[in-house]
Amino acid sequence: DIQMTQSPASLSASLGETVSIECLASEGISNDLAWYQQKSGKSPQLLIYAASRLQDGVPSRFSGSGSGTRYSLKISGMQPEDEADYFCQQSYKYPLTFGSGTKLEIK
Amino acid sequence: QIQLVQSGPELKKPGESVKISCKASGYTFTDYAMHWVKQAPGKGLKWMGWINTYTGKPTYADDFKGRFVFSLEASASTANLQISNLKNEDTATYFCASLGINWFAYWGQGTLVTVSS
Repeated sequence: DIQMTQSPASLSASLGETVSIECLASEGISNDLAWYQQKSGKSPQLLIYAASRLQDGVPSRFSGSGSGTRYSLKISGMQPEDEADYFCQQSYKYPLTFGSGTKLEIK
Repeated sequence: QIQLVQSGPELKKPGESVKISCKASGYTFTDYAMHWVKQAPGKGLKWMGWINTYTGKPTYADDFKGRFVFSLEASASTANLQISNLKNEDTATYFCASLGINWFAYWGQGTLVTVSS
């Protein structure tokens, strides 16, 4: 199985700050990576797919990058509504696997 | 608009069974696979497997072979997850998810299953 190591586990950021979350895959996943945001008590929402493609309706302050085994999600200018848990997920090979999550809070 | 609407919360005793439904609307049900994802309380997301909504063939992740069954009521655009012989560790929120190429643009609202004696 492909292991997804996500860091940091938690993060606090000031409003307007730029934050980054990383995911490291245990093998190359050919940009088959998605990022999700999950607010408390809600279902996950797709932010990014294919490593860098922004899902329709997602604010442009969210961006994804990376290749091979290393991927990152960047939020350019933290907003109050961005306080949530974030998960990466590889879509390259079954079984599909998720990172362990990053809790992002406002400082 | 596209929606996945799941059945309501369940409280069960160990050893019982539960069936969760996920009704799709706003798109052609058989065009996209339906996946199931488990989230234990306060924990991360775990992929359980998927069902081919055209053929009905299920595929299970290793940890979900044996007591878990994916099924369809295709005429009703509904996917089901049945869990038998429930254990305490099955306490979780279960999500259906679809509309992507092994990533998920749409998710159900989640169904909380609580297993407690």
